Amino acid sequence: DIQMTQSPSSLSASVGDRVTITCRATQSINTYLNWYQQKPGKAPNLLIYDASNLQSGVPSRFSGSGSGTDFTLTISSLQPEDFATYYCQQSGSTPYSFGQGTKLEIK
Amino acid sequence: QVQLVQSGAEVKKPGASVKVSCRASGYTFTSYPLHWVRQAPGQGLEWMGWINTDNGNTKYAQTFQGRVTITRDTSASTVYMELPSPRFDDTAMYYCARGDGYKPLEDWGQGTQVTVSS
Repeated sequence: DIQMTQSPSSLSASVGDRVTITCRATQSINTYLNWYQQKPGKAPNLLIYDASNLQSGVPSRFSGSGSGTDFTLTISSLQPEDFATYYCQQSGSTPYSFGQGTKLEIK
Repeated sequence: QVQLVQSGAEVKKPGASVKVSCRASGYTFTSYPLHWVRQAPGQGLEWMGWINTDNGNTKYAQTFQGRVTITRDTSASTVYMELPSPRFDDTAMYYCARGDGYKPLEDWGQGTQVTVSS
């Protein structure tokens, strides 16, 4: 099974900051890597699919990159509504494993 | 628009079967697999398994193999996730989500809280 590891597990930042979250797979998943945002009490929401494609309706300050085993999610200028938990997930092979999550908090 | 509507919260005693439903609308039900994802209190997301809604084939994560059963009723456009003998540590929020092979989980249900308590 493919394991996904995110870093950091938590992150404090301010409105307007640029932040980067990384995700590493234990074996190559090509670009079958997705990013989700989850707010308390809500279902996850797809942000980025296939490593770098912005889901419809998601603000352009979100971007993704990477291939193989190493991936990043970048938020170019944090907005108040971006404080949430972020998960990466691989869809290259079952089980479709998730990273452990990165909690983004207000500094 | 695509909607996945899940059944309501459940409280069960250990060993008492629980079955959660996920009714799909807004697309052709048999065209996309449906997945189940678990989230224990304060924890991350855990992929449980999926079902091919066309032929009924299923695939489970090793952790859930033999402990969960996913089925579907094409006439009702509904997928079910059953825990035949839940344990205390099955207390969690359970989500259904739509996603094709190699594709992301694009649409999610609202979640169903399952509490296992004596």
